[in-house]
Amino acid sequence: ILNVEQSPQSLHVQEGDSTNFTCSFPSSNFYALHWYRWETAKSPEALFVMTLNGDEKKKGRISATLNTKEGYSYLYIKGSQPEDSATYLCAFSDTNAGKSTFGDGTTLTVKP
Amino acid sequence: DTGVSQDPRHKITKRGQNVTFRCDPISEHNRLYWYRQTLGQGPEFLTYFQNEAQLEKSRLLSDRFSAERPKGSFSTLEIQRTEQGDSAMYLCASSSTRKGNQPQHFGDGTRLSIL
Repeated sequence: ILNVEQSPQSLHVQEGDSTNFTCSFPSSNFYALHWYRWETAKSPEALFVMTLNGDEKKKGRISATLNTKEGYSYLYIKGSQPEDSATYLCAFSDTNAGKSTFGDGTTLTVKP
Repeated sequence: DTGVSQDPRHKITKRGQNVTFRCDPISEHNRLYWYRQTLGQGPEFLTYFQNEAQLEKSRLLSDRFSAERPKGSFSTLEIQRTEQGDSAMYLCASSSTRKGNQPQHFGDGTRLSIL
């Protein structure tokens, strides 16, 4: 059973604060790491697909880094806005079979 | 492209009844996945298909669960003799293998409540 852990479990920040979360995954047999954002009453939305050690991806105020040797990825949000409030999930794949093991997510609440 | 759609959105049923959920993936996607999600946890893998072939099934999935994708397009997930522990959100996702490593696209889920 693969162990994918996310921390913290939840986070409350003020509008304008910058924040970051961690996803830890097995450092062996790495294939890909995905980040998703899941807003209440909506479906999970893909943010990033990361495949290479040292990868850095950016989309607007959100960015992510990847360290496959030590088995972690960070997701950063710069200048948080209330609309960033959501659960952020990471998903680890160890083969191209497509099966992903998800973490339990970090729930972010941004207060205006 | 209308995205992944799931039906119904909500299902309330009595313990012991059978339920069936449907998922229509994005039309050009060859992979289709089923997950179960409970409060405070991430999606838990149940099974996945590549075209019409069911390639993997979670060991956590009991014999009461069965999934089909008869023509490689839509899929159904059936739960027989439902139990209260089956109450959860059932998510479907699809992806394509034709353009390298692509993310999964999720539907809005079917929320199952067992009385």
